[in-house]
Amino acid sequence: SQQGEEDPQALSIQEGENATMNCSYKTSINNLQWYRQNSGRGLVHLILIRSNEREKHSGRLRVTLDTSKKSSSLLITASRAADTASYFCATDALNQGGKLIFGQGTELSVKP
Amino acid sequence: DAGVIQSPRHEVTEMGQEVTLRCKPISGHDYLFWYRQTMMRGLELLIYFNNNVPIDDSGMPEDRFSAKMPNASFSTLKIQPSEPRDSAVYFCASNPGSGALNTEAFFGQGTRLTVV
Repeated sequence: SQQGEEDPQALSIQEGENATMNCSYKTSINNLQWYRQNSGRGLVHLILIRSNEREKHSGRLRVTLDTSKKSSSLLITASRAADTASYFCATDALNQGGKLIFGQGTELSVKP
Repeated sequence: DAGVIQSPRHEVTEMGQEVTLRCKPISGHDYLFWYRQTMMRGLELLIYFNNNVPIDDSGMPEDRFSAKMPNASFSTLKIQPSEPRDSAVYFCASNPGSGALNTEAFFGQGTRLTVV
């Protein structure tokens, strides 16, 4: 079964706006990761947040993690048309030997 | 390093035929994962290896699916016989090791399989 569930499933915004995607998971984790997938391509790692971290930044990306609620959010600030892609969260669950389980993803469309 | 390399990129085959997908992970990575992606089911983990040993194959859908990793630089995913419902994009990914520090996965470009 999928570990992560994301919402919304699809998000359409204008260039310059912020985009927020959420991920919920079910079990204790070592870390949570966010990936991006452009149409027809493989997934590309964006950012990793460890279970003892609450917030992390990388360029225009901001990730938060709330282990008490088993949830995470990815914020993309000042979005660009080139940010159009699908975004997935993935969990490295505790005591699962490095197994990475992905959510269903959020399809982001940024209109110029 | 050229990244994770998968072949072929596209495969069209007839129902009942054997299909073999290939993956070369990044050199030095201890973990290798096979995923399948469809619109209906999303990205499913089929099987993963640690140091060439299969750790968890609970995601392999049926006995028609098998995977091997004969050495650290090569893995195969075989479907025999193939069926139309196996049509999907199959991804291979590798990462350096487990634990909180090194589990970023590097994905190949995928193999788009169509079974007619």
